[in-house]
Amino acid sequence: DQQVKQNSPSLSVQEGRISILNCDYTNSMFDYFLWYKKYPAEGPTFLISISSIKDKNEDGRFTVFLNKSAKHLSLHIVPSQPGDSAVYFCAATSANSGGSNYKLTFGKGTLLTVNP
Amino acid sequence: DAGVIQSPRHEVTEMGQEVTLRCKPISGHNSLFWYRQTMMRGLELLIYFNNNVPIDDSGMPEDRFSAKMPNASFSTLKIQPSEPRDSAVYFCASTPDRVKHIQYFGAGTRLSVL
Repeated sequence: DQQVKQNSPSLSVQEGRISILNCDYTNSMFDYFLWYKKYPAEGPTFLISISSIKDKNEDGRFTVFLNKSAKHLSLHIVPSQPGDSAVYFCAATSANSGGSNYKLTFGKGTLLTVNP
Repeated sequence: DAGVIQSPRHEVTEMGQEVTLRCKPISGHNSLFWYRQTMMRGLELLIYFNNNVPIDDSGMPEDRFSAKMPNASFSTLKIQPSEPRDSAVYFCASTPDRVKHIQYFGAGTRLSVL
């Protein structure tokens, strides 16, 4: 039972355009969400996060939007650059469920290709 | 800081053999995580430790898998005996308590069991 779903295995965009990566979740206990980026032969690296008390968080070219009622979040990259080509993982956790909860549940990832 | 260090980077072994994967977390990080990545299941948590104590091992697939953290700077994930379906990339990650949900990953160990 996948609690975090990234339904698009891949996405291709032109340099300079917007990239939108989507993520859906089913567990209503999730209240903190993260995006990780992964290059080949490397481990995932943290990109941006958002708490459920917000609906938007922005960091430079990266913005994450959260729609709690739809249990949906998205990552916007504007403008997209060839160096953004990577696999993007969505992750979720129940941050307020207890001090000992460190678990992240990951989606399967979306491969973004930004063409020059 | 050298980041999370995993060894070996690649491991090829035959079915039935014992495999030991190693991880050195970032100094000062209190929690350590072992993940497995496959095409079918994506990135799944196997086990995590906090202050060297196993907190949740519900993701460990079966008794053939075991993990230890004898001290704050070292952890192992052992598979005995290994099977072809164990072939995957295994990641180790660590995090400090103050930002516990932002995990720092190693480069992974690619395991192939023939």
